[in-house]
Amino acid sequence: AQSVTQLGSHVSVSEGALVLLRCNYSSSVPPYLFWYVQYPNQGLQLLLKYTSAATLVKGINGFEAEFKKSETSFHLTKPSAHMSDAAEYFCAVSDRGTSYGKLTFGQGTILTVHP
Amino acid sequence: NAGVTQTPKFRVLKTGQSMTLLCAQDMNHEYMYWYRQDPGMGLRLIHYSVGEGTTAKGEVPDGYNVSRLKKQNFLLGLESAAPSQTSVYFCASSYPLGADTQYFGPGTRLTVL
Repeated sequence: AQSVTQLGSHVSVSEGALVLLRCNYSSSVPPYLFWYVQYPNQGLQLLLKYTSAATLVKGINGFEAEFKKSETSFHLTKPSAHMSDAAEYFCAVSDRGTSYGKLTFGQGTILTVHP
Repeated sequence: NAGVTQTPKFRVLKTGQSMTLLCAQDMNHEYMYWYRQDPGMGLRLIHYSVGEGTTAKGEVPDGYNVSRLKKQNFLLGLESAAPSQTSVYFCASSYPLGADTQYFGPGTRLTVL
């Protein structure tokens, strides 16, 4: 069974600092990988996804993530945090062999941005 | 284009009561999903549907039933609510490929007393 681990349930950064949210997956075959963001009292919104094209994926709002097969990782980064980035972030995987696109989510990381 | 909508937004139930959550999507998606979100546990799949008239169990299906009578609607039912079903429920929809984005509704916050 697939699993996703997000290291750190809470991450706090200062405005303008680098944002790094960590995600590791376990799968015998590289899966599809997703990062979703959830703003308070809202549903989830796709930030970016990896589907086996370029290993460095750029998403919305200046975020990007790099797929590293050797490390089974898909960490999310943003060079300079903004107050509006404060939200909960979820890493998710989808098995390439799955017929219905089942997503397995990590437990989430709450990002706090300090002025 | 409203995307994915959910009704109601909030609900409080007493133990043993029943209710139905409605999800509607206007993107002509084949696949629809129901998740529950609990603190520190991410989202877990309850049931899903790969097309009109079909449903299947996900990771945590016990205590829930679903129906997909129309392509655009996916209903989640609780026949006899329990406090353990206090959660935030999200509906999502997508096209039928594993790499396709799932689009989420705004959620329903359910409290069972």
